[in-house]
Amino acid sequence: ELKVEQNPLFLSMQEGKNYTIYCNYSTTSDRLYWYRQDPGKSLESLFVLLSNGAVKQEGRLMASLDTKARLSTLHITAAVHDLSATYFCAVDDDMRFGAGTRLTVKP
Amino acid sequence: DGGITQSPKYLFRKEGQNVTLSCEQNLNHDAMYWYRQDPGQGLRLIYYSQIVNDFQKGDIAEGYSVSREKKESFPLTVTSAQKNPTAFYLCASSISGWDSPLHFGNGTRLTVT
Repeated sequence: ELKVEQNPLFLSMQEGKNYTIYCNYSTTSDRLYWYRQDPGKSLESLFVLLSNGAVKQEGRLMASLDTKARLSTLHITAAVHDLSATYFCAVDDDMRFGAGTRLTVKP
Repeated sequence: DGGITQSPKYLFRKEGQNVTLSCEQNLNHDAMYWYRQDPGQGLRLIYYSQIVNDFQKGDIAEGYSVSREKKESFPLTVTSAQKNPTAFYLCASSISGWDSPLHFGNGTRLTVT
């Protein structure tokens, strides 16, 4: 059974700081997705990673995929309050989701 | 504008009643999915369909049923057999199955008392 584990589950950051969210999975999939969910809202796609070594960046967020380690990271640079949300990774192979990382950025 | 429409946004039902959640998309996507989200948790796959008139069970299909008679529509019925139906239900679609990101509807919050 495919398992997708995110950590940390809760993250409180100061504005301007850097941090990394980790997503470990248990299969040999080479497709991984990151989504963002604002409170009470639906999910929106952030990044699509389709091969080993893939790196995507959008503003202060950068995602990478290491299929050999079965690990994806979402790096946050110089956090701002607008990044406060819950971030999910999802792995191809039935599109299983991690439990999510609830990020709070404080001034 | 293209998108996925879920209705209603909030739904209240008495225990023992079946209820159907609507999901319509005009993105011309082949694949559609239903997920359940409980407070503070991730998404769990209920059912998915990659083509009209065909669908597969996800991880938590018991107590749910779906149909896919039209490409645009993928309704979910929560039956009285579902023991804990109160949750946030999300419908999604994608272009070609599993190798493209999901586009999500705004969700239906179902409360059963």
